[in-house]
Amino acid sequence: GQNIDQPTEMTATEGAIVQINCTYQTSGFNGLFWYQQHAGEAPTFLSYNVLDGLEEKGRFSSFLSRSKGYSYLLLKELQMKDSASYLCVVRPGAGNMLTFGGGTRLMVKP
Amino acid sequence: ETGVTQSPTHLIKTRGQQVTLRCSSQSGHNTVSWYQQALGQGPQFIFQYYREEENGRGNFPPRFSGLQFPNYSSELNVNALELDDSALYLCASSPIPRDSGNYGYTFGSGTRLTVV
Repeated sequence: GQNIDQPTEMTATEGAIVQINCTYQTSGFNGLFWYQQHAGEAPTFLSYNVLDGLEEKGRFSSFLSRSKGYSYLLLKELQMKDSASYLCVVRPGAGNMLTFGGGTRLMVKP
Repeated sequence: ETGVTQSPTHLIKTRGQQVTLRCSSQSGHNTVSWYQQALGQGPQFIFQYYREEENGRGNFPPRFSGLQFPNYSSELNVNALELDDSALYLCASSPIPRDSGNYGYTFGSGTRLTVV
């Protein structure tokens, strides 16, 4: 089966750094994505990891450890507009579907 | 380039009715996937279409069916609607069905279906 766990909610202060963790147990692995979703809007792509290590893209970084089934998304210099749900998504090795975690709702406060 | 367009944006149906949701894929994308997102949860994979054929299916009953057309647009049909079918239905397009790289899924804004 497929199982992806991430915290349901997090709160952080504007200008701070926040780390959203994700653990996964899937029948295969062919990459991990992080998506951002504002309420009522489409999920938008943030990052992709297929090899172990850190991928940095501006204020956002994503880390992957395949042996531990673990990833995190790091958001720096938080802005109010970063308030959204963050979805950890795994593409299993077999099949074409994406498996989503339940999402972490991040609230950024002034 | 155009993104993924879904219609309608909102829909209210009665239990037992049938519904058709539509999706126009991003230019250059030939694969379309459909997801159901219940309130407060992550999206769940329904099925994927490639070259007008179903190419993978999640744990959804047969009353969820779909079509893909030669222009790569797609429809999701749900028969005998149940109250639990109330959700946001997302369509995502991608250039190829499977690859080891980040070939990028583009999501539409979804159709909010309410079954009463």
